[in-house]
Amino acid sequence: GAGVSQTPSNKVTEKGKYVELRCDPISGHTALYWYRQSLGQGPEFLIYFQGTGAADDSGLPNDRFFAVRPEGSVSTLKIQRTERGDSAVYLCASSLGGPRYDNEQFFGPGTRLTVL
Amino acid sequence: GEDVEQSLFLSVREGDSSVINCTYTDSSSTYLYWYKQEPGAGLQLLTYIFSNMDMKQDQRLTVLLNKKDKHLSLRIADTQTGDSAIYFCAEKGEQAGTALIFGKGTTLSVSS
Repeated sequence: GAGVSQTPSNKVTEKGKYVELRCDPISGHTALYWYRQSLGQGPEFLIYFQGTGAADDSGLPNDRFFAVRPEGSVSTLKIQRTERGDSAVYLCASSLGGPRYDNEQFFGPGTRLTVL
Repeated sequence: GEDVEQSLFLSVREGDSSVINCTYTDSSSTYLYWYKQEPGAGLQLLTYIFSNMDMKQDQRLTVLLNKKDKHLSLRIADTQTGDSAIYFCAEKGEQAGTALIFGKGTTLSVSS
């Protein structure tokens, strides 16, 4: 595809449920980032993958959040026992990766998660 | 800690120039960015500047960087109604894999 895609575009769930959010990065991009954007705020970093491994997960708020990228392409962000405070837009970005090409991150349209 | 500050709102008339300002605190920032976000859409990378530059121009967009004062600005010439959006300033370190640090965004409203 031409850009980063994310599914679903909207997800409504109930408190306590489990959700999975998917990101398809730009083909050939080895670096993948997840960010979270709350209402009226800028995006905040969650986790960074280089290839298949999570190179930096320091932004994950707690152990209810987990992300995988098993084949180095598609990534899934998983949230267990969702809370109302998890409601936000979850953004995925990808870049070519590496020291020379990591400076351009391209974002997907995001998944809007609403926890009732 | 790292912080990026922006004014929250700017209102201009169509045809005027818009100037959106940003200040950042991390002196090790190597790249400074401007992203545009329209309602319901993702973040669009508009332009970025390397910290050893003080100006970058790209069509109607001019980015100015004052590294001493840690001040970044985005000037949009001949502002159009289609420029109405939220503009985010962001900073990033040099190392691969460092995340973008964003400000809260400036809402630009363009009236005809």
